[in-house]
Amino acid sequence: KQEVTQIPAALSVPEGENLVLNCSFTDSAIYNLQWFRQDPGKGLTSLLLIQSSQREQTSGRLNASLDKSSGRSTLYIAASQPGDSATYLCAVSPILTGGGNKLTFGTGTQLKVEL
Amino acid sequence: NAGVTQTPKFRVLKTGQSMTLLCAQDMNHEYMYWYRQDPGMGLRLIHYSVGEGTTAKGEVPDGYNVSRLKKQNFLLGLESAAPSQTSVYFCASSYPTGVNTEAFFGQGTRLTVV
Repeated sequence: KQEVTQIPAALSVPEGENLVLNCSFTDSAIYNLQWFRQDPGKGLTSLLLIQSSQREQTSGRLNASLDKSSGRSTLYIAASQPGDSATYLCAVSPILTGGGNKLTFGTGTQLKVEL
Repeated sequence: NAGVTQTPKFRVLKTGQSMTLLCAQDMNHEYMYWYRQDPGMGLRLIHYSVGEGTTAKGEVPDGYNVSRLKKQNFLLGLESAAPSQTSVYFCASSYPTGVNTEAFFGQGTRLTVV
């Protein structure tokens, strides 16, 4: 059974700092990995999706990397801002067998960026 | 540009009552999913559908039923609500294969069973 772990569970940084969020998964037979952002009481917003054949994806100040062989992904946030404060979730989907692009989630990293 | 829309957003039920949660997507996605989110446990898959008229069980299906009569809608039913079903429910949709398999989520339904 796939298990996804995110470390740390919570992180507090001063504004402007560059930071890295970690995600690890136990089964390397994945189709893709997706990073989400969740604000309190809100839904999930997709940030980046990395296909299993890719090594990284970038969007603005965000960069996500994937090392499938070691079962790890990182989300790098450059020049953090208070508006980046949220919970960040990592999720993986299995190699497709016609059974849906089902996601297994980690429990998230709660990020607080302070002024 | 609605994306994935869930109704209702909040609901309080008494133990034993029934209700249906509605999910609608306007992106012509084949796949749809229902997840629940509980503190400290992350999101867990309840049921999913790979196309109109099809449904399948996920990780935690007990106590729930689903139907996908139309491609754009996915309904989650609770026949006899229990306090253990107090949770936040999220619906999602995606394309099945190819480059763009990104999952899109609704805003959630916060359900309390008393």
